[in-house]
Amino acid sequence: GQQVMQIPQYQHVQEGEDFTTYCNSSTTLSNIQWYKQRPGGHPVFLIQLVKSGEVKKQKRLTFQFGEAKKNSSLHITATQTTDVGTYFCAVPRSNDYKLSFGAGTTVTVRA
Amino acid sequence: GAVVSQHPSWVICKSGTSVKIECRSLDFQATTMFWYRQFPKQSLMLMATSNEGSKATYEQGVEKDKFLINHASLTLSTLTVTSAHPEDSSFYICSARSGQSYYEQYFGPGTRLTVT
Repeated sequence: GQQVMQIPQYQHVQEGEDFTTYCNSSTTLSNIQWYKQRPGGHPVFLIQLVKSGEVKKQKRLTFQFGEAKKNSSLHITATQTTDVGTYFCAVPRSNDYKLSFGAGTTVTVRA
Repeated sequence: GAVVSQHPSWVICKSGTSVKIECRSLDFQATTMFWYRQFPKQSLMLMATSNEGSKATYEQGVEKDKFLINHASLTLSTLTVTSAHPEDSSFYICSARSGQSYYEQYFGPGTRLTVT
């Protein structure tokens, strides 16, 4: 089963506003990955976080790994219609390191 | 970048028939490929891990006799859904890791299967 809780499940955002999606684990993670899946499409790798407290930016996207390496967030500023899709976090399973995906946050944008 | 293709992109079949889905790594060799299933508005669930030259590893609850996986070469893995039923209708996605990055997975475009 899933090892991470991802919230919120849905995010309706006014164009131009910011939003954040969160992934939380009860156990310490070695790393966490983020993927984006556009409607009707397939997941596309965005980034991997490895270090405690790590922050990485990709244009309007800011990814953060918690100090305890149990949670992560993705913050998008000035949301655009191109940001529509479902954002998944994924973590390696403790026993075999295969990826376990969060439930995803589906983002819709109001123009 | 690494590209993974899947064929067909969508397929409709009758209940009781079998369907084969191909997953190819186009510009890299993949010793390991992964098969996922995704139901509408749900997350990706790993079905099995396909290993070149050896038997696939199936996740708990996935019937290996129903979902046959063959990883015949370093660039091709196939998933055959045997005796398909309407409840097998889903989005099937494969992914592969390249030798360049041990953690990044490249996903195929997916195959939407509808069983009538």
